[in-house]
Amino acid sequence: AQTVTQSQPEMSVQEAETVTLSCTYDTSESDYYLFWYKQPPSRQMILVIRQEAYKQQNATENRFSVNFQKAAKSFSLKISDSQLGDAAMYFCAYVSGSRLTFGEGTQLTVNP
Amino acid sequence: NAGVMQNPRHLVRRRGQEARLRCSPMKGHSHVYWYRQLPEEGLKFMVYLQKENIIDESGMPKERFSAEFPKEGPSILRIQQVVRGDSAAYFCASSPQGRNIQYFGAGTRLSVL
Repeated sequence: AQTVTQSQPEMSVQEAETVTLSCTYDTSESDYYLFWYKQPPSRQMILVIRQEAYKQQNATENRFSVNFQKAAKSFSLKISDSQLGDAAMYFCAYVSGSRLTFGEGTQLTVNP
Repeated sequence: NAGVMQNPRHLVRRRGQEARLRCSPMKGHSHVYWYRQLPEEGLKFMVYLQKENIIDESGMPKERFSAEFPKEGPSILRIQQVVRGDSAAYFCASSPQGRNIQYFGAGTRLSVL
């Protein structure tokens, strides 16, 4: 069974600074996708970034980028120039086929 | 293009009542997924449906829970004889044919008194 582990229950960052959220996963599949979702206090699940496992190049979306290490099964999220609106719960997720498997989440606090 | 629509946003039921949660996928999406989020936890997969077919229900509790996605209308997650342990946020997601990106609705928060 696939598992996703987020080892940091809570993280904090100063506004305008950079923070990295960690995620590791376990799978025997070779073809899969990885995601980071953001859940603000409104509880809406918002897709932040996606990575296809067959692509070696790390995905980037504006201030958000990932460090995808396939051999190590690691998929960290870097948030640059952190903003107050980035404060949320962040979930790492894996999919191969249909169902998403989520980590337990990292609560990010952004300090002004 | 409207996103995934879930209603109601909040639902309060007494123990033993039935809860019906509705989900309308994004336009053009034929795949629907339901997830449950217990307090302080991540989302857990429940069921995956396509129009008129249940594809994977391995995450559904064996009793009291059912789901459907009819040819016309929204997908429905039905919980019969609710108990306090059913209190959670229930999220629906949809994806288009052949794509692995799932887009989520705002969720329905079920409270069982």
